[in-house]
Amino acid sequence: EPEVTQTPSHQVTQMGQEVILRCVPISNHLYFYWYRQILGQKVEFLVSFYNNEISEKSEIFDDQFSVERPDGSNFTLKIRSTKLEDSAMYFCASSHRGVLLTEAFFGQGTRLTVV
Amino acid sequence: QKEVEQNSGPLSVPEGAIASLNCTYSDRGSQSFFWYRQYSGKSPELIMSIYSNGDKEDGRFTAQLNKASQYVSLLIRDSQPSDSATYLCAVSFLGGNTPLVFGKGTRLSVIA
Repeated sequence: EPEVTQTPSHQVTQMGQEVILRCVPISNHLYFYWYRQILGQKVEFLVSFYNNEISEKSEIFDDQFSVERPDGSNFTLKIRSTKLEDSAMYFCASSHRGVLLTEAFFGQGTRLTVV
Repeated sequence: QKEVEQNSGPLSVPEGAIASLNCTYSDRGSQSFFWYRQYSGKSPELIMSIYSNGDKEDGRFTAQLNKASQYVSLLIRDSQPSDSATYLCAVSFLGGNTPLVFGKGTRLSVIA
């Protein structure tokens, strides 16, 4: 069964460093998303990406964040200068293009720890 | 502000019983509704989706939607200890590929 894959599974970084989280969406999906979940809190939307551009972003997704699809398979989230509060699980998701009911499938997540 | 509300639980049910999980949402125009299961430390796993009023059944799971009451529920029949997890309600307020808004989740514990 096709799945979304994310690397690395766990990343520890020093405050102020740049991190890149990587995702390979399901191959025939056209929409890609990043969500995050701070420990003990709800899953929060960060950004969606379609046709090589951002389609929506939340207030969380400020200038420190960027996304890219560098080739035909990878989708990346970059955090330019990490802060302690960026520590969270980051989930990539993908979906078909849909009109009404479009199901998003999540990768296994990257646990980011900023120290 | 679009909100999705769930009772955080824990909801404890004996093995074999029906577990009933509830969710309310703030925007009457919401289009699509999803239930995800999340085991501790793992990612959300899609188990049910629904967009029209009424019931939708898939195996031991039934999703129920009442748009007039802005209410969506998930019933799990013949609950098993392996069903013990946090169940996340997610709403796509505009449908299609618009982002999901998640509730905080209800923790379900199935007691053997």
